[in-house]
Amino acid sequence: KAGVTQTPRYLIKTRGQQVTLSCSPISGHRSVSWYQQTPGQGLQFLFEYFSETQRNKGNFPGRFSGRQFSNSRSEMNVSTLELGDSALYLCASSLGLKETQYFGPGTRLLVL
Amino acid sequence: AQRVTQPEKLLSVFKGAPVELKCNYSYSGSPELFWYVQYSRQRLQLLLRHISRESIKGFTADLNKGETSFHLKKPFAQEEDSAMYYCALRRGVGQAGTALIFGKGTTLSVSS
Repeated sequence: KAGVTQTPRYLIKTRGQQVTLSCSPISGHRSVSWYQQTPGQGLQFLFEYFSETQRNKGNFPGRFSGRQFSNSRSEMNVSTLELGDSALYLCASSLGLKETQYFGPGTRLLVL
Repeated sequence: AQRVTQPEKLLSVFKGAPVELKCNYSYSGSPELFWYVQYSRQRLQLLLRHISRESIKGFTADLNKGETSFHLKKPFAQEEDSAMYYCALRRGVGQAGTALIFGKGTTLSVSS
């Protein structure tokens, strides 16, 4: 099976802009989780989707949002970008909630 | 609050030496514990899950609820074990919440 894919792999934006990141889960997986990875804070949970519904949300401001489509693909959006949003954004998919999570390669976002 | 602590940022050992990567957690319930590994230029991947009690690539980890620890061990390190290792916690089955809480990671460097 193909692994989790994320697009784009690299992105450069300026402060105040918005960005949308995409994640395609492993075929058959219905749950998608998003994490932010930074050198200072490490890996932090953003949110999780299952069957097009957000099931769980981390401690991030409302500028961070996401959605899941009927084919389980997921997107996350960050509005009004700040310099501190520069990070590697990881997507992980699993068969269901509480199942093993398989990670994608990440999207590296740089905010200038 | 749930927390995962990996006290060592870097662990350097010689090939053939034993390895122990420390992980301590803070959680009042019955958690699920994981070890993830990230080799150079590769995605984050699951190494061990405590409930499966497997040995993967010679690594083992035992959950010690009394000491709230989940240390990763290998009797004889190999150069190909060099990587970043993350310990992660998730609330157990039957408990609300599915997010993985990660430690800050330990870089293992094995030299000949």
